Amino acid sequence: RKEVEQDPGPFNVPEGATVAFNCTYSNSASQSFFWYRQDCRKEPKLLMSVYSSGNEDGRFTAQLNRASQYISLLIRDSKLSDSATYLCVVGFSGGYNKLIFGAGTRLAVHP
Amino acid sequence: NAGVTQTPKFQVLKTGQSMTLQCAQDMNHNSMYWYRQDPGMGLRLIYYSASEGTTDKGEVPNGYNVSRLNKREFSLRLESAAPSQTSVYFCASSEALSTQGRTEAFFGQGTRLTVV
Repeated sequence: RKEVEQDPGPFNVPEGATVAFNCTYSNSASQSFFWYRQDCRKEPKLLMSVYSSGNEDGRFTAQLNRASQYISLLIRDSKLSDSATYLCVVGFSGGYNKLIFGAGTRLAVHP
Repeated sequence: NAGVTQTPKFQVLKTGQSMTLQCAQDMNHNSMYWYRQDPGMGLRLIYYSASEGTTDKGEVPNGYNVSRLNKREFSLRLESAAPSQTSVYFCASSEALSTQGRTEAFFGQGTRLTVV
C-alpha cells in the first residue's frame, strides 16, 4: 500500500464548478499536511498547508481528519487557470523533514 | 531571490555515461533533497541531507551518489547511467520541521534526463 494515496483523475470540470479531491495516508505518526500544485512540466509549488481545524484560502478549502487519516481539498468556482496536478503531501520529522508525496490528481477545467 | 537553482535543465546520456546534477539554494535552508518523478509514481526521494555535512539514503538510492558541498549546494551523481534512470529530477530545500508542523519545501525547476 502506498503511504499517500490519491485518485489520479483526470477530473474534467466546466468553469465555475466545485470539485473535491481526496487523499488518504497510512502513517499515523504524520505531523504535517500540505497540498502542492504542479503545472505541466513545472516544479511543484505549495498551494496550502492543511491544519487540524481546517483552513480556507480564497476559493480553496482544505480539511484534515486525523482519525480517518484523510485529507481533502475543495475548489469552488473553478477557473481555467486551476488546471494542474494537485499533490497531497504528508510530512513528519524523523531526524529530517521527511515529505511523502502522493502521485497527484489531475484537474482539467474547460470553458 | 533565485530560490533553488538546478542545472542542467535537459540532458541526454548514453548508457554507461556519468554525469552530475547541480543544485544550489539561497534561502539558508538546512535540509536539501533529491527527488525523481516518473509518470503515475509521484515524487520519490533519492537522497537527502538534513544539514551540512550529512547525507542519507531515501526511498530509491541505488545508482546514485550525492555530495553536500556546503550549506548552499547539494549535487547528485549518476556514475553509470541506465535507461531506468530516465526521469525528471527535482532538487528541493526546506527548513527543519517546526513544532508548528508546517515546513514548506521549495523546488528547483527540474532536470529532464533521458538515458538511451
